Amino acid sequence: GQQLNQSPQSMFIQEGEDVSMNCTSSSIFNTWLWYKQDPGEGPVLLIALYKAGELTSNGRLTAQFGITRKDSFLNISASIPSDVGIYFCAGQIDGSQGNLIFGKGTKLSVKP
Amino acid sequence: ETGVTQSPTHLIKTRGQQVTLRCSSQSGHNTVSWYQQALGQGPQFIFQYYREEENGRGNFPPRFSGLQFPNYSSELNVNALELDDSALYLCASSWGGVSYTFGSGTRLTVV
Repeated sequence: GQQLNQSPQSMFIQEGEDVSMNCTSSSIFNTWLWYKQDPGEGPVLLIALYKAGELTSNGRLTAQFGITRKDSFLNISASIPSDVGIYFCAGQIDGSQGNLIFGKGTKLSVKP
Repeated sequence: ETGVTQSPTHLIKTRGQQVTLRCSSQSGHNTVSWYQQALGQGPQFIFQYYREEENGRGNFPPRFSGLQFPNYSSELNVNALELDDSALYLCASSWGGVSYTFGSGTRLTVV
């Protein structure tokens, strides 16, 4: 099925570091969503973006809706151990059809 | 406010069998979507229900079917199970197709 290109696939973080991840698509989206998924749980919505160029923050998280409507990024500032998990971007063309298209995820782990 | 609840949490089925998964939507949500998440992948959209009608479908064969009830709860039915159907099945609810809330999923293993 169709998926977004999400990078990096995985990364190691040290407490206090800033983290960046992004998603790109060949299709235009009207909505970009960022989710976090912990083991054994469903995705939890972190940030929703509805307008090209929109920059939205949720605590230490900041996400932007690219002006081309084909990309989005998520930044996490001053990471803490509970940030570990898998982060997914999701794009939506038309809300009435319910079709969220997900990236493959970025796995955040703690540096050994 | 209750969230999205799914049942069962885990089950094991034999190839060729049929399975029914259940989802109770979050209070106030009228739209339910189902997703399949294979190991190491992002969720894949199966279909969405609004006012008891299917109003969007992903690239899944007809043996994947569903229902939505007047109280907005929903079922996902899969017939003639195949080994590749082994996955985490996620239900998500929303009001009008915006800001979906996901349940914890049902882990289906087909042997």
